[in-house]
This record gives sequence, structure tokens and C-alpha cells, in this order.
Amino acid sequence: QVQLQESGPGLVKPSETLSLTCTVSGGSMKGYYWDWLRQTPGKGLEWIGYVYFSGVSNYNPSLKSRATISLDTSKNQFSLRLSSVTAADTAIYYCARTPGPAKGWQKFDSWGQGTLVTVSS
Amino acid sequence: DIQMTQSPSSLSASVGDRVTITCQASQDISDHLNWYQQKPGKAPKVLIYDASNLEIGVPSRFSGSGSGTDFTVTISSLQPEDIATYYCQQYDNLPFTFGGGTKVEIK
Repeated sequence: QVQLQESGPGLVKPSETLSLTCTVSGGSMKGYYWDWLRQTPGKGLEWIGYVYFSGVSNYNPSLKSRATISLDTSKNQFSLRLSSVTAADTAIYYCARTPGPAKGWQKFDSWGQGTLVTVSS
Repeated sequence: DIQMTQSPSSLSASVGDRVTITCQASQDISDHLNWYQQKPGKAPKVLIYDASNLEIGVPSRFSGSGSGTDFTVTISSLQPEDIATYYCQQYDNLPFTFGGGTKVEIK
């Protein structure tokens, strides 16, 4: 059973870069899409983007090119960097897995427990 | 972006009641829809994928239906452990988008 665990600072200053890492255990990263999502009381659940095991990534345009997701398969980790943060980026951040693009596989089937990141000076 | 609208935003029902939650997409998404259950303080968990397929391990009292723009998830007999917020999510087009959630409580 694959497990995901987010890690990173819980407090980030406005205008700085938020950096989070997700460590994957109990399974391989090969063949899967690795996603970041966030949740706020105001905007609900928001998909941030994914990185495929090949390194190809895709992002939510709402983040205006501030997000970068990268992969380190040697460490079984993938990471999120979100630049120029504001208070609006305060949220619970989740990492998750999508098994693939085929029918029956396009779902977030494993999630980390989530980590609260607060943007404040 | 495809907008997903859920209703109601909250509901209160008795144990054993049949509960139905609806989700409407702003455009045709075929059956490219998933449902998630989120309990307080926990990550969401997938219940139903491709509109009507039950995820492994999910109790059979949950069912999903719909295609195109209108979808439902039904709990045939509400149990205390079903207290949670339920979300629909479309994967027809990027960016993936979620409904606003339906909070289910016990009366």
C-alpha cells in the first residue's frame, strides 16, 4: 500500500517561495502521475499541477506560472515550489497520486495527510 | 475551466435514510467524474470513479450515476460513519476542478 507524506515549512513570508516535498513509500513512482492540491475554506479543493514519472509536468493556469513541480525518483520524492506567495496561498497542501490517463485510472487514489502552510510576516 | 456545482451544500438526515447529492458540470464531461469523501482533519478519499464505479473497499451502500452534465451520488442507508463532506471532481479537461462540497450530518 503506497503512502505519501508531505514535509516543509509551515510558515512562509509574503513574496517568498513556498517549498514542499512529498515522500513516497511502499511503491514505485514509475508509471504514475504525482499531483499537488490545496484546500482552503474559501476556495475549496484546488488542483495545483502534476508531474509524470518521465518528468513532464502540467499546471493550473490560475497559479499564473508561479508553480513548479519536480521529481527525484532516486529519493522517491517529488516537490512543489510556489513563488511570490501571498496570504491567498495560505492553505492545507496535499500531495496525491494519479494511476494514469487510461479509463478507470484518472483519480487521486492515494493522498498524503496534508500540511498547513500559512503565509504571514 | 469547467465549473462543478454541487447541491445541497449541506444536509442533515437520520441513520438509515437514503441520501442523494447532485453535481452539475458547466459543460459535457461524459462520465469523467469522480466522487470523494473527506472526514474532518483527513485527506479526501476516492469513493466512486468514472461516475459509477465503486472504488475497491468502499461499502456497497454508495452508488454513483450520471453522464454529460448531471451526476449523483447516493447513500442507500446512511450510517454514522458516513458523516463527512463529499466532493465531485471532473477530469475531462485540465485544469481538474472540484465541486464546492456537500456536508452530511446526522439528524
